Amino acid sequence: AQSVAQPEDQVNVAEGNPLTVKCTYSVSGNPYLFWYVQYPNRGLQFLLKYITGDNLVKGSYGFEAEFNKSQTSFHLKKPSALVSDSALYFCAVRDRGGGNKLTFGTGTQLKVEL
Amino acid sequence: DAGITQSPRYKITETGRQVTLMCHQTWSHSYMFWYRQDLGHGLRLIYYSAAADITDKGEVPDGYVVSRSKTENFPLTLESATRSQTSVYFCASRGPSGGPGETQYFGPGTRLLVL
Repeated sequence: AQSVAQPEDQVNVAEGNPLTVKCTYSVSGNPYLFWYVQYPNRGLQFLLKYITGDNLVKGSYGFEAEFNKSQTSFHLKKPSALVSDSALYFCAVRDRGGGNKLTFGTGTQLKVEL
Repeated sequence: DAGITQSPRYKITETGRQVTLMCHQTWSHSYMFWYRQDLGHGLRLIYYSAAADITDKGEVPDGYVVSRSKTENFPLTLESATRSQTSVYFCASRGPSGGPGETQYFGPGTRLLVL
C-alpha cells in the first residue's frame, strides 16, 4: 500500500530565511507527487506536482520541490520565507498503478516569524 | 468561474439524525471525491466517483452513503450521525479526464458537529 510521511508536525522559520518541509513516500511503482497548502478555515490549495521529467519542480507563490527517487523524498522548499506562508502543508502521492487514490500525509504546520 | 462549492459550510446536528452534505463543481470533471479531515489523521478518503452513477468506497466509508446522478453533483449522506463523524469534510474533483497525473481541486469544506 502506498503511504506518505511528513516527519515534522511543525516547522518554525524566520522571515527571509529558506524553508524546507519534508516528505517521504512509499509506492509500488513510479509516483505522482503533490503538495497542497491549507490556510485556516479554508480548503486545500494546489501548490505543485511531480509527474515526470526534471527533478526540481516549481510551483505557486515561489515554492519548489525536489524529487529524489533514491531517497523516496519530495521535500518542499522556498528560498526566502514570508510571514504569509504560515499555513498547514500536505504532501500527497498517487500510485501510477492505482490510478485513483491520492494518499495524504498528516500535514506540517509551517510558522514563519518576524 | 465558481469551481467547486460545498454546502452548508457549517452544520450542527444530533446523534441519530440524517445529514446530507452537498458538493457541486462547474468544470465537468469526471472524478469526484469526499474526504474527512481530523487532527492526527490528515485527510482520509471516504468515497469517490469516476463518473455519473459510478461510485466506490475509500478508506473510511462506514456510516456514509453517496450518489452521483449528475456529473456536477456528489452529495454525501450520513444516514444516522454519530459523534465520531464530527469532522471537517472536503469535496474534491479531478479532471478534465480524471487521469492520475491530473490535479485534484478541493472545495472550501463543511464543518460538521454531531452532538
